[in-house]
Amino acid sequence: KQEVTQIPAALSVPEGENLVLNCSFTDSAIYNLQWFRQDPGKGLTSLLLIQSSQREQTSGRLNASLDKSSGRSTLYIAASQPGDSATYLCAPEETSGSRLTFGEGTQLTVNP
Amino acid sequence: EPEVTQTPSHQVTQMGQEVILRCVPISNHLYFYWYRQILGQKVEFLVSFYNNEISEKSEIFDDQFSVERPDGSNFTLKIRSTKLEDSAMYFCASSEFMGGELFFGEGSRLTVL
Repeated sequence: KQEVTQIPAALSVPEGENLVLNCSFTDSAIYNLQWFRQDPGKGLTSLLLIQSSQREQTSGRLNASLDKSSGRSTLYIAASQPGDSATYLCAPEETSGSRLTFGEGTQLTVNP
Repeated sequence: EPEVTQTPSHQVTQMGQEVILRCVPISNHLYFYWYRQILGQKVEFLVSFYNNEISEKSEIFDDQFSVERPDGSNFTLKIRSTKLEDSAMYFCASSEFMGGELFFGEGSRLTVL
């Protein structure tokens, strides 16, 4: 059974800092991995999807890397802004291409 | 921009009542999902649906749950006899193809009293 761990659980930084969120998963036989953000009481917004054959994916100030063999992914946020404050969730997808398994998330607060 | 829409946004029901949660996936998407999130806990997979049948379901998705695509646009989750522990936010999601990016709706909050 896939288990996903995200570190740190919470992070508070001043505006403008670059930061790294970590995700580890126990079963490396994944199809892909997706990063989401969740604002309080809201749905999940997709940020990046990395296919299992890819090493990294970039979108604007976000860069996600994937080391499938070691069961790790990182989300790098450059020049953080208060609007980045949210919970960030990592979710690998099983080889069936069907089920996402979510971590507890990293709650990010960016202070102006 | 296309989005997944869910109704109702919040439903309060009595224990033992039937509840139907509705979702309109993105129009050209073929794979549909339900996930739930109990307050303060992880998002959990319930069921995936493709080609008018369930492709995969979790251990949570017992006989009290069912899904249906009654027409070309709606995707529903039915809970036959609600329990207190069914109180959660239920998220619908869709993807264009297997292994593709999942797009989630804003969720339906279910409160069982």
